[in-house]
Amino acid sequence: AQSVSQHNHHVILSEAASLELGCNYSYGGTVNLFWYVQYPGQHLQLLLKYFSGDPLVKGIKGFEAEFIKSKFSFNLRKPSVQWSDTAEYFCAVRGKLQFGAGTQVVVTP
Amino acid sequence: DTGVSQDPRHKITKRGQNVTFRCDPISEHNRLYWYRQTLGQGPEFLTYFQNEAQLEKSRLLSDRFSAERPKGSFSTLEIQRTEQGDSAMYLCASSYSGQAGETQYFGPGTRLLVL
Repeated sequence: AQSVSQHNHHVILSEAASLELGCNYSYGGTVNLFWYVQYPGQHLQLLLKYFSGDPLVKGIKGFEAEFIKSKFSFNLRKPSVQWSDTAEYFCAVRGKLQFGAGTQVVVTP
Repeated sequence: DTGVSQDPRHKITKRGQNVTFRCDPISEHNRLYWYRQTLGQGPEFLTYFQNEAQLEKSRLLSDRFSAERPKGSFSTLEIQRTEQGDSAMYLCASSYSGQAGETQYFGPGTRLLVL
C-alpha cells in the first residue's frame, strides 16, 4: 500500500530564512507527486507537481521540489520565505491522492 | 472558470440525522473525487467518479455513506444516521483524466459538526 510521510508537523521560522519540508513516500509503481498548500481560511491549492522528466520541479511563489527516486523523497524548498508563506503544506502521491499529515509552517516577521 | 464549489460550507447536525453535501466541479473535468479531512491530518480519499460511474470506494466509506454523480456533472455525498465521528471537513476535487499529468483542483470543503 502506498503511504506518505512528512517529517515535520510544525515549523516556525523568520522571514528571509530558507525552508525545506521533507516528504517520503512508499509506492512501488510510477509516481505522480504533488505539493499542495492551504493558506489560513482558504482551500487546498497546487504548489507544484512531478510526473516525469527533470527531477527538479519549480512551482508557484518561488517554491521548488526535488524528486530523488533512490531516496523515495520529494522535498519542498524555498530559499527565502515571506510572512505570507504561513500555511499548511501537504505532500501527496499518485492519482487517487494519498496525502501526508501536513506541515504547519509559521513565518514570523 | 469559477473553480470547484461546494455547498453548504458548514453544517451542524444532531447525531442520527442525515446530511447531504453537493459538489460542482470545474465544467470540463470528467473526474470528481471526495476526501475527508480531520484536524491535524491530511485529506483521506473516500471515492471518485469518472463521468457518472463511481469507480472506486475507500474502506472509509461505510454503508452509511453514499455518493452519486447522476449526470456526470455535480455530485452529492450523503451521510445517513450521522455519528460524532463523522465530524470532519469533506473536500471535493475535480480533474481531467485526458490531461498528461492529471491534477486535482480542490473546492473549499464542507465542514460538518455532529453534536
